[in-house]
Amino acid sequence: DAGVIQSPRHEVTEMGQEVTLRCKPISGHDYLFWYRQTMMRGLELLIYFNNNVPIDDSGMPEDRFSAKMPNASFSTLKIQPSEPRDSAVYFCASSLEGFVGGETDTQYFGPGTRLTVL
Amino acid sequence: LAKTTQPISMDSYEGQEVNITCSHNNIATNDYITWYQQFPSQGPRFIIQGYKTKVTNEVASLFIPADRKSSTLSLPRVSLSDTAVYYCLVGPPPNSGYSTLTFGKGTMLLVSP
Repeated sequence: DAGVIQSPRHEVTEMGQEVTLRCKPISGHDYLFWYRQTMMRGLELLIYFNNNVPIDDSGMPEDRFSAKMPNASFSTLKIQPSEPRDSAVYFCASSLEGFVGGETDTQYFGPGTRLTVL
Repeated sequence: LAKTTQPISMDSYEGQEVNITCSHNNIATNDYITWYQQFPSQGPRFIIQGYKTKVTNEVASLFIPADRKSSTLSLPRVSLSDTAVYYCLVGPPPNSGYSTLTFGKGTMLLVSP
């Protein structure tokens, strides 16, 4: 398997523009996660899906952020309008299951998208 | 929500054993302890997970005392390629949701020749 695939790897845009990040999870995985990583805040969970359904979006910073998962093999994270403080590395991860008797199933991370908003 | 505390950074030399300790005083009864490793420009990668006592795999060992208020990740005979950020995570308990699983800022391990 190719692992979790994210595109683009790098994105540079200007403030106010719409940004769309894409993710293809590992085939067969039921859970998909979107994270954001910055030096100041570390790695933060934004939202996660189970079987294409958003389960918890409490980590989404504000209404400018939205995420969708139209099918089991594709998800998008959209920022509209983008702001300089959105600059970060955005990771997508997937896992086969959620919890197995209390254990957290291993999450497999993609290479990330480095977003720079000027 | 169980919060974790780790050292910001650690230094070591090739061939040494490295122990990274994580404090989690508010760990819940059903919480598991998980460690991830992250190399520069890559996403985190699962290392090891445990509930109590000791867990060992081909990469590392995880020591968890009886009170479970801390845990220690042990890396035997580190090499330069072990230079990375190591994250300690606690939880989530079943049915509580992944929002309780936070990575924090991790420990930056630098291995020198």
